[in-house]
Amino acid sequence: KNQVEQSPQSLIILEGKNCTLQCNYTVSPFSNLRWYKQDTGRGPVSLTIMTFSENTKSNGRYTATLDADTKQSSLHITASQLSDSASYICVVSGVDYKLSFGAGTTVTVRA
Amino acid sequence: KAGVTQTPRYLIKTRGQQVTLSCSPISGHRSVSWYQQTPGQGLQFLFEYFSETQRNKGNFPGRFSGRQFSNSRSEMNVSTLELGDSALYLCASSLREGRKNTEAFFGQGTRLTVV
Repeated sequence: KNQVEQSPQSLIILEGKNCTLQCNYTVSPFSNLRWYKQDTGRGPVSLTIMTFSENTKSNGRYTATLDADTKQSSLHITASQLSDSASYICVVSGVDYKLSFGAGTTVTVRA
Repeated sequence: KAGVTQTPRYLIKTRGQQVTLSCSPISGHRSVSWYQQTPGQGLQFLFEYFSETQRNKGNFPGRFSGRQFSNSRSEMNVSTLELGDSALYLCASSLREGRKNTEAFFGQGTRLTVV
């Protein structure tokens, strides 16, 4: 069973609107959680990395939150732009440093 | 500085053949990890190399192998190709092995199609 579950699988939003992506994980013990953005046909690019002691981290219009108690993370995209259309992947690292990947959420931003 | 470089970008092979993919990490990075990405399975870890030694291995058959050279460049080899090996193969480089918050930088990937 995948230790990292993302939802929704895909979503469509209008340009300028906000959206929130969810990531639930069961990896334990936990070291850090990362969010990556992957454009079609390209490699993933890191957005944020958070340890268990961090609750929130921002990177421009992207804000990630982490609740290590409930093992949940979210990625909030503010004022979406067409260039935000991509797959967003949640990656959790255990203390053995092995990475567990979510299946990703595909975001489509429409004008 | 230059990012992670993977070659070739696209490859078409027939069943039964073997293939070698190459990855040049960011200068100064000594850890290289390989991943397979398919629409149905998402990203799956293949193996990690650090200082020319394989440090971690995923759950893939022995047909998948790799190596790392003294300059940290890495190659991945797949023998006796199967249709199911068609995927995007991604390489990621990190400064150090398995450090908690070491960021992994991904290459553009090699798109392998097996026909």
